[in-house]
Order: sequence, then structure tokens, then C-alpha cells
Amino acid sequence: NAGVTQTPKFRVLKTGQSMTLLCAQDMNHEYMYWYRQDPGMGLRLIHYSVGEGTTAKGEVPDGYNVSRLKKQNFLLGLESAAPSQTSVYFCASSYNPGGSYEQYFGPGTRLTVT
Amino acid sequence: GQQLNQSPQSMFIQEGEDVSMNCTSSSIFNTWLWYKQDPGEGPVLLIALYKAGELTSNGRLTAQFGITRKDSFLNISASIPSDVGIYFCAGRSGTYKYIFGTGTRLKVLA
Repeated sequence: NAGVTQTPKFRVLKTGQSMTLLCAQDMNHEYMYWYRQDPGMGLRLIHYSVGEGTTAKGEVPDGYNVSRLKKQNFLLGLESAAPSQTSVYFCASSYNPGGSYEQYFGPGTRLTVT
Repeated sequence: GQQLNQSPQSMFIQEGEDVSMNCTSSSIFNTWLWYKQDPGEGPVLLIALYKAGELTSNGRLTAQFGITRKDSFLNISASIPSDVGIYFCAGRSGTYKYIFGTGTRLKVLA
């Protein structure tokens, strides 16, 4: 039982490049989330999904896209990276149909955009 | 975005001392979660609370769901050096949305 895993762990991009962050969970959770964490800003929600095939915008969605084609995976895409997207990105999942609302986080992806 | 008020912001304590921190909100929550985050790592869930007044322990950690459902408390007993890190709370608003606290940075002096 690996919980929530994220790949890659580190990445450096040049302005304008694109990339996809992959999140996977093995807890059969319905909900999945992408957050970014910046110094002094706390965790901010980028996008989330309440089930396979569904996605919704969070607090800071601009410049990002997501997809959830399989229940266990949630992808975060940056189409044209900007220095303002330099951050640490965390994926999280929650809600087991049995009733638990515990939210678990992945180890994070540290992204630098130059 | 909205953040929960968490206090204290930081604290230095001696090894062996007990630690208390709390989170307050203007909104009612159905779930309170407490996390610890070490540098360069993801937040690790410590305790989950689901009912007003609930008191739950996890080893030396004890957390309580406030009876007004607008606050929660975390206590760490007999602190050790590995307790150092950032602790933050999260409240579940509605079905899927979580609001996070501003964090308490704990430093333990051996």
C-alpha cells in the first residue's frame, strides 16, 4: 500500500515549456486534488476531481489543466510554464466510499521555472 | 484564499515539555485533520476527528474536536527532537473542500 505517489520529484523547466505531473493513489479514493505550496501562502487548491472523468477548478487554476481518466490517477499539466509557477506541488486524495474523509498527501514535486 | 487561524505561529520548547496548539475558524466543520510536515516532504496525516467533543490520541499526540465545531486543539506530550517540524490543521467544509491552517513551526531544544 503505497498511498499517494507523485512523479517526478524534481523538475526544472524553461519558460514556455510544457510538462505533466502524475499522481497515483491506491486507496480507492473518490476525490483527488492538486495543491501548490509557496512560502507564506500555505496550500492553495489548483484543481480537484470528485470522481473518474470529472474535474473542477480550485482557487488558482489559471495556467494549469488536469485530467482524471482513471480513478487512481490524476494528471496536472502545464501547457506553457511561467516563472510564477515555480512552486512545490502536492497531490492529495480523500474519501473512501466506506465513509472516511481523511485526506492523504503525496511527497510533492518541486518545480522550478527559469 | 481562506486560511484558518492557527496559534502559536512558532514555538521553541525544551525536550520533554508538553506542547499545545490550536486552530480556530469562523465556519463550522464536519471534520478536523492534523498534519505534520517536515522540510522537503509532503504533509503526513497525524489525527482525524469527526465529532464535536471527540478526543483522539495517536501515541504522544492528542487532538480534540471543539464542541462549537469551530476549533480544534493538538497536544504533544513529552516532546522529543524528532517532533520538530510544521504542524497544521485542516477543516473539511462541505463534502470535498478542505481549508488549511497557517501552521505552527515547532522547534525542540535538546
